[in-house]
Amino acid sequence: AQKVTQAQTEISVVEKEDVTLDCVYETRDTTYYLFWYKQPPSGELVFLIRRNSFDEQNEISGRYSWNFQKSTSSFNFTITASQVVDSAVYFCALSEAHSGNTPLVFGKGTRLSVIA
Amino acid sequence: DAMVIQNPRYQVTQFGKPVTLSCSQTLNHNVMYWYQQKSSQAPKLLFHYYDKDFNNEADTPDNFQSRRPNTSFCFLDIRSPGLGDAAMYLCATSRGLDRGLETQYFGPGTRLLVL
Repeated sequence: AQKVTQAQTEISVVEKEDVTLDCVYETRDTTYYLFWYKQPPSGELVFLIRRNSFDEQNEISGRYSWNFQKSTSSFNFTITASQVVDSAVYFCALSEAHSGNTPLVFGKGTRLSVIA
Repeated sequence: DAMVIQNPRYQVTQFGKPVTLSCSQTLNHNVMYWYQQKSSQAPKLLFHYYDKDFNNEADTPDNFQSRRPNTSFCFLDIRSPGLGDAAMYLCATSRGLDRGLETQYFGPGTRLLVL
């Protein structure tokens, strides 16, 4: 069965600190996608990144970076030099190739608070 | 430029009074989803449409219904809202060309309050 675990419920950091949000997943499928979404206080889920199971190359986008390691079934998200605007709930999610159109399984989310 | 639009952003209804939430999209995506998200929880899928094909999740209460009159619009009807139905309702879309491996794009959500 597919499952996504975000063990960190809440994290608080001071502005300009780096922070890593952990995501561990379980799947029996060999073809799958992993996602990160950001949900600011306004409520909208903002798509950040999608990574497919055959591409373990890490990705960097500005202050954001993602570390995908199949050996440990992890897809961690790092924010460098955090800012107050990064305060939000971050969801990791998994989508399997053989689950049809109802594939998105979310973790419980990590609430990040960046303090000025 | 909004791609997935939800109206209204906030909705207040009375216990037992039917309410309809709306979602529209400018992406011309085939698939539209409705999620319920309660406080401090992950979004929970209620149902989705693949074009006109309706797919209900097994644990979605009968109190929740949906309509999709055309590609652009999808509605969530709550026939008799209870206090437990107070939540954020999120609409999402995906292209529908690659089942199971697509990015879902979310609207801003409608926060429902039941009095």
